[in-house]
Amino acid sequence: DTEVTQTPKHLVMGMTNKKSLKCEQHMGHRAMYWYKQKAKKPPELMFVYSYEKLSINESVPSRFSPECPNSSLLNLHLHALQPEDSALYLCASSQPGGNQPQHFGDGTRLSIL
Amino acid sequence: GNSVTQMEGPVTLSEEAFLTINCTYTATGYPSLFWYVQYPGEGLQLLLKATKADDKGSNKGFEATYRKETTSFHLEKGSVQVSDSAVYFCALTSYGKLTFGQGTILTVHP
Repeated sequence: DTEVTQTPKHLVMGMTNKKSLKCEQHMGHRAMYWYKQKAKKPPELMFVYSYEKLSINESVPSRFSPECPNSSLLNLHLHALQPEDSALYLCASSQPGGNQPQHFGDGTRLSIL
Repeated sequence: GNSVTQMEGPVTLSEEAFLTINCTYTATGYPSLFWYVQYPGEGLQLLLKATKADDKGSNKGFEATYRKETTSFHLEKGSVQVSDSAVYFCALTSYGKLTFGQGTILTVHP
């Protein structure tokens, strides 16, 4: 069983909708990550939070807005997405700094109509 | 910058065959090395890790040794099962950032 839980598992939305992806971890980690993964490709880093503060934004379009309400929760707010944003969105967590392994959730499969 | 190169797939094997997936890396500093596995419809699972030169990571019959002299971290398993069919990603982390290889699709036939 994964210790990083993502909801929903699947999401279909129109280009004018607003929705949110949620991630929760109970591993005591203080770093959390959002990745985007297209089919047959490795995950691409989008955002990193360390101690609940945004530390890395990999030049992600503003239609994606991350939020870290506390050390266990990570949200990704979506607004006015484009068809090319359809992908698997993965959340991960780890201890911050150093070379600690990241632990991934099962992802949200997002389809933009 | 950092980079990871994996052997191109897909790799197709019969059950009980020997598996090797090659992985080489380029990195600054002293990276940790990982193999992740992604089963269909799922996220990435950490399969094994090694944090310094000559470390051997192992899990579920899979092994990989951190070879600094050849900058390699090849994945091996002595006898694959149908349930090992998945995508395998070699990765390194340096200064907190994870760099992935392109992934290798493994299909095991009965």
